[in-house]
Amino acid sequence: SQKIEQNSEALNIQEGKTATLTCNYTNYSPAYLQWYRQDPGRGPVFLLLIRENEKEKRKERLKVTFDTTLKQSLFHITASQPADSATYLCALAPRGGSQGNLIFGKGTKLSVKP
Amino acid sequence: EPEVTQTPSHQVTQMGQEVILRCVPISNHLYFYWYRQILGQKVEFLVSFYNNEISEKSEIFDDQFSVERPDGSNFTLKIRSTKLEDSAMYFCASRGLGDYGYTFGSGTRLTVV
Repeated sequence: SQKIEQNSEALNIQEGKTATLTCNYTNYSPAYLQWYRQDPGRGPVFLLLIRENEKEKRKERLKVTFDTTLKQSLFHITASQPADSATYLCALAPRGGSQGNLIFGKGTKLSVKP
Repeated sequence: EPEVTQTPSHQVTQMGQEVILRCVPISNHLYFYWYRQILGQKVEFLVSFYNNEISEKSEIFDDQFSVERPDGSNFTLKIRSTKLEDSAMYFCASRGLGDYGYTFGSGTRLTVV
């Protein structure tokens, strides 16, 4: 069956450290994969997109990698801050899909302690 | 920064009643979506809308659901006869041509009692 899984429900780290979040999928061939941030009671906020032919993408303190052999994406936040505390969602767009059936993972709740 | 606006932020309705959730997408966007998130669960796709018609819908989006873009700015989701299990946060999203990141609204929390 098709699955997209974010292995950790919660991740607690110290301020200044690098947070690494994992997203694994099975039985999909995604055209691209996206990462979103979601704060409590709010809608997801788009952070980064990485395509199937890209290995790595960066935006400021954020880095995403995509390994289609391992069927895994890693999301890194360097020099983490308490303001980075939120739930982070990965979402993939299956290849051949029309304009937008994004499949979301359940999310990893990140807590950054001062 | 342009926003997707959703109203109301919270709606309580009796089982069996009809509800209409409203959204104003970003003005130059072309693709519109409804997603929902049951408390503690994943964000789930309901329907996508492009060029004034539904382009894709999920199994959740049954005959009780409908969408409309009545006037070129609003985008609505109607649930004809609500059930207890329709209680969820409903998110509207939009994106522009050539964009792949979605802009989500803040959601409408629907509580069916």
